Amino acid sequence: GQNIDQPTEMTATEGAIVQINCTYQTSGFNGLFWYQQHAGEAPTFLSYNVLDGLEEKGRFSSFLSRSKGYSYLLLKELQMKDSASYLCAVRDGDYQLIWGAGTKLIIKP
Amino acid sequence: DTAVSQTPKYLVTQMGNDKSIKCEQNLGHDTMYWYKQDSKKFLKIMFSYNNKELIINETVPNRFSPKSPDKAHLNLHINSLELGDSAVYFCASSQRTGGDGANVLTFGAGSRLTVL
Repeated sequence: GQNIDQPTEMTATEGAIVQINCTYQTSGFNGLFWYQQHAGEAPTFLSYNVLDGLEEKGRFSSFLSRSKGYSYLLLKELQMKDSASYLCAVRDGDYQLIWGAGTKLIIKP
Repeated sequence: DTAVSQTPKYLVTQMGNDKSIKCEQNLGHDTMYWYKQDSKKFLKIMFSYNNKELIINETVPNRFSPKSPDKAHLNLHINSLELGDSAVYFCASSQRTGGDGANVLTFGAGSRLTVL
């Protein structure tokens, strides 16, 4: 079956670094996405990986290993506004997106 | 200026009623979607339309009927509402349907439906 696993909740300190992991088992693979969702708001796009390796975008980086069915989102220099849920999603074919339940990240001062 | 706008933002109604949620995008995208996000926060695709044509129709009760009068609008009508329909419904759009490249989804702000 199709499955995406992420930790339910993580806590980190302002200014620190946090890594949010995502493992997936899907029938196909055509890209992995990370979205950020603040409470009560819409998900917004953060990153996209389709080839193995690291994609860096400012304070956020995303890594993909297709052979291991694994990705992580790395957030550096954490700010209070980074408190949100982080959703991992895999496109398993031409257009079907399979979503994880999201990781709620709590930032403490 | 809003890219994907959906109304209403909140909807509280009784079981058995019929309700509609409207969605409009001004991004010029070809593809629009309805997602349901339940209390466990999973986003589940319900429907997808490409240029007014239905392309994804997941296992959704036929009480849910989408309508796309043009490629900028995708409305959702729900008949005979049930308690289990309580959720946040997100409309989204993307440039195209195909899987080449990121083809990022832009979401609306969500419509929180509460069925009493």
